Amino acid sequence: GENVEQHPSTLSVQEGDSAVIKCTYSDSASNYFPWYKQELGKRPQLIIDIRSNVGEKKDQRIAVTLNKTAKHFSLHITETQPEDSAVYFCAASGSYQLTFGKGTKLSVIP
Amino acid sequence: GAVVSQHPSWVICKSGTSVKIECRSLDFQATTMFWYRQFPKQSLMLMATSNEGSKATYEQGVEKDKFLINHASLTLSTLTVTSAHPEDSSFYICSAPIPGTGGYGYTFGSGTRLTVV
Repeated sequence: GENVEQHPSTLSVQEGDSAVIKCTYSDSASNYFPWYKQELGKRPQLIIDIRSNVGEKKDQRIAVTLNKTAKHFSLHITETQPEDSAVYFCAASGSYQLTFGKGTKLSVIP
Repeated sequence: GAVVSQHPSWVICKSGTSVKIECRSLDFQATTMFWYRQFPKQSLMLMATSNEGSKATYEQGVEKDKFLINHASLTLSTLTVTSAHPEDSSFYICSAPIPGTGGYGYTFGSGTRLTVV
């Protein structure tokens, strides 16, 4: 089955700086790569996603890049704000099943 | 659109009792429902996949006799934790593929915090 590795597990940045979270996946058949933000005790919230036929996608301060050859994808958050503090999960999907990374706890220091 | 309503949001039960968690798709028909378990400070781990009208498929290491899944209709899937023990205390979340996305979108229930005392 699919295996998703996510790094780092914790990340602290100063407000206004950029944050980068990286994930690798093992199944070359995976074709959908969403990123979720999860606050304590809440459901995962989709922040951005990318399909396998696209190399990069951007939505305001958030961007995702995908390298299918190397089987890795990354989340980039620019101009971080305190409200960006949360746990972020990457995931990979093929055949209608999501596999999640272990998560990154992002702390944005005011 | 594609809303999944999950109840209860939290439950406390005594060790040895059973607890039922419900997930209802409110504005679409969910032929498939995924059930995840999330321990504190950990990731979402897939427990089982249920398909309407058929037996659920359980992930390796998940006891099917302990975690009973029923998906009797296109709008309701339930997870029953039988003979619950403190180690079953966790956050349980259901999820369904969003119709019409071809597998490129998923909607999640709000989760159930189970505490077994």
